Amino acid sequence: ETGVTQSPTHLIKTRGQQVTLRCSSQSGHNTVSWYQQALGQGPQFIFQYYREEENGRGNFPPRFSGLQFPNYSSELNVNALELDDSALYLCASSLASGGLYNEQFFGPGTRLTVL
Amino acid sequence: AQSVTQLDSQVPVFEEAPVELRCNYSSSVSVYLFWYVQYPNQGLQLLLKYLSGSTLVKGINGFEAEFNKSQTSFHLRKPSVHISDTAEYFCAVRHNQAGTALIFGKGTTLSVSS
Repeated sequence: ETGVTQSPTHLIKTRGQQVTLRCSSQSGHNTVSWYQQALGQGPQFIFQYYREEENGRGNFPPRFSGLQFPNYSSELNVNALELDDSALYLCASSLASGGLYNEQFFGPGTRLTVL
Repeated sequence: AQSVTQLDSQVPVFEEAPVELRCNYSSSVSVYLFWYVQYPNQGLQLLLKYLSGSTLVKGINGFEAEFNKSQTSFHLRKPSVHISDTAEYFCAVRHNQAGTALIFGKGTTLSVSS
């Protein structure tokens, strides 16, 4: 069974650019969530996708957007990068079934640096 | 809305000593409670969780936590720590009815020395 994977592991961008981060869910999972973890802070929820539709969003501006594909892999897109977007971006997948709790499994993260 | 407060940002201890990492939460609804560990340059690993039932929860690596509803606390404990327990620890809550969004505390750095 393959766990949650993310790519790339690190990347550096300049202010104003756009970036796409990728996540492959654990096999059998249909839900993916994205979190931003700034240095020295706990992760903050960005949004969640279930069956290719966004069904929950945290306090992040619209320039943070996402996609979930039929194979349940996902992308996080950030437009007009700002210096404060520098962080570790974590993807987590889970299996949603009948509204019951199911554990989220986290990937290793992508470290984004904005200069 | 839910919130999580981890009362200690850093906890230094000696190897084989007991440790407690404190976590308080605030919520107007029932929640699930979690502790995660993060080793340097890695993602999050679930240590243990409280969903319902017994208030004493046992997790991996010898950790346990006790849910105290009246004090809205979920403190993490280990009777004897190892050097390898050095890591960042995060307490988190989740609404038990809607979605899977986790609300995290700011983390506690556990440093174990010999």
